[in-house]
Amino acid sequence: EDKVVQSPLSLVVHEGDTVTLNCSYEVTNFRSLLWYKQEKKAPTFLFMLTSSGIEKKSGRLSSILDKKELFSILNITATQTGDSAVYLCACHNAGNMLTFGGGTRLMVKP
Amino acid sequence: NAGVTQTPKFQVLKTGQSMTLQCAQDMNHNSMYWYRQDPGMGLRLIYYSASEGTTDKGEVPNGYNVSRLNKREFSLRLESAAPSQTSVYFCASSERGFTDTQYFGPGTRLTVL
Repeated sequence: EDKVVQSPLSLVVHEGDTVTLNCSYEVTNFRSLLWYKQEKKAPTFLFMLTSSGIEKKSGRLSSILDKKELFSILNITATQTGDSAVYLCACHNAGNMLTFGGGTRLMVKP
Repeated sequence: NAGVTQTPKFQVLKTGQSMTLQCAQDMNHNSMYWYRQDPGMGLRLIYYSASEGTTDKGEVPNGYNVSRLNKREFSLRLESAAPSQTSVYFCASSERGFTDTQYFGPGTRLTVL
C-alpha cells in the first residue's frame, strides 16, 4: 500500500521566517509528487516534481525531489501571514492513484 | 469491478461547441473530482463533489459546470468550449475527502480548435 508522510504536523512561525516542510513516500511505480496549498475547502496546485535534484521555484516557494531517498521538501522564504494554510503532498503512481499525506498546518504570525 | 471509467477517451471540438464528459465509479465512493492536466503541470482541480448532492468549485472552475447525478456518476460540462480548455481531463473518486487515496479514470484528451 502506498504511503505518504508529511512532517511536521503543524508549525507556527513569525513573518519573515523561512520554513521547510517535509514529505516522504513509499510508492510503488512512482510517477510524480505534487504539492498543494489548502486554505479553505479545495487545495490549489503548487508544484509537480518528477525528476530528482531539479528545483522548482515560484516566487518565495521552492521544492525539490530526492528519488533515491524518497522525499521532497517545500521551502517558503520570507513567510507572510497569507502563507498560513495546510500544505499537502501527494504522490501519483503509474496505476493512476493519487495518495495524499496528512498535511502540514502552517500558521504565520504577524 | 471497473474502478473509475470516463467517456469519451478523445474529443475534438470547435470553439463555442458544448460537450459533457462522463465519469462513473463502482467503488461506492462518496467523493468525486474533476481535474485537468496541462503539459508540465500537475493536476489542477476543476470541481469536486464531497458527497452525493453536493458540488463545489475547485481551483479552475471557470468555463465548466458539473452534475453529481447520483453516487456513481459525476459529469463535467463545457458550455462553450475555448482553446484554453484544450487539456487532458481526469475524473477521480475517493471514499471520503481529499486526503483519502484518490482513484483516477483513464482520462479524456480534449482538443478545442
